[in-house]
Amino acid sequence: KQEVTQIPAALSVPEGENLVLNCSFTDSAIYNLQWFRQDPGKGLTSLLLIQSSQREQTSGRLNASLDKSSGRSTLYIAASQPGDSATYLCAVRLITQGGSEKLVFGKGTKLTVNP
Amino acid sequence: DGGITQSPKYLFRKEGQNVTLSCEQNLNHDAMYWYRQDPGQGLRLIYYSQIVNDFQKGDIAEGYSVSREKKESFPLTVTSAQKNPTAFYLCASRRDRGGTEAFFGQGTRLTVV
Repeated sequence: KQEVTQIPAALSVPEGENLVLNCSFTDSAIYNLQWFRQDPGKGLTSLLLIQSSQREQTSGRLNASLDKSSGRSTLYIAASQPGDSATYLCAVRLITQGGSEKLVFGKGTKLTVNP
Repeated sequence: DGGITQSPKYLFRKEGQNVTLSCEQNLNHDAMYWYRQDPGQGLRLIYYSQIVNDFQKGDIAEGYSVSREKKESFPLTVTSAQKNPTAFYLCASRRDRGGTEAFFGQGTRLTVV
């Protein structure tokens, strides 16, 4: 059974710091990995999608890497801002033997960026 | 604007009642999903549909039902058989089965009173 773990569960940093959020998964047979942002009481906003054949994706101050063989992904946030405060979720997409497919989520890292 | 619309934002249910949560998308996506989010837990898949008139159970389908009569709509009914329905419910969609990005609605918070 695929399990996704995110460490740390919570992180508090001063504004301007560069930071790394970690995501690990137990089964390397993934189709892709997606990072999301969730603000309190809101839905999920997609940040980056990395296909299983890719090593990294970049969008603005965000960079996500994927090492499928070791079951790890990192989300790097450069020059953090108070507006980056949110919960960050990673999810892996699986295609099961029966042909069904689903996203398996980690529990998230709650990030607070202090002014 | 293109996107996924969930309604209502807040919903209160009495014990023993069925309630239906709405999810509509105008992205022309084939696949749609329902997830449940509880504090301290990751999102868990309730039901999903890859094509009109077809849907599959996810990991926690008991006490829930869905329909997919139109491509743009995927309503979720929380039945009285669901013993602990208080949660945040999220609907998502993707263009097709494969490596495309999933997009989420803004969620419905259901509370049993």
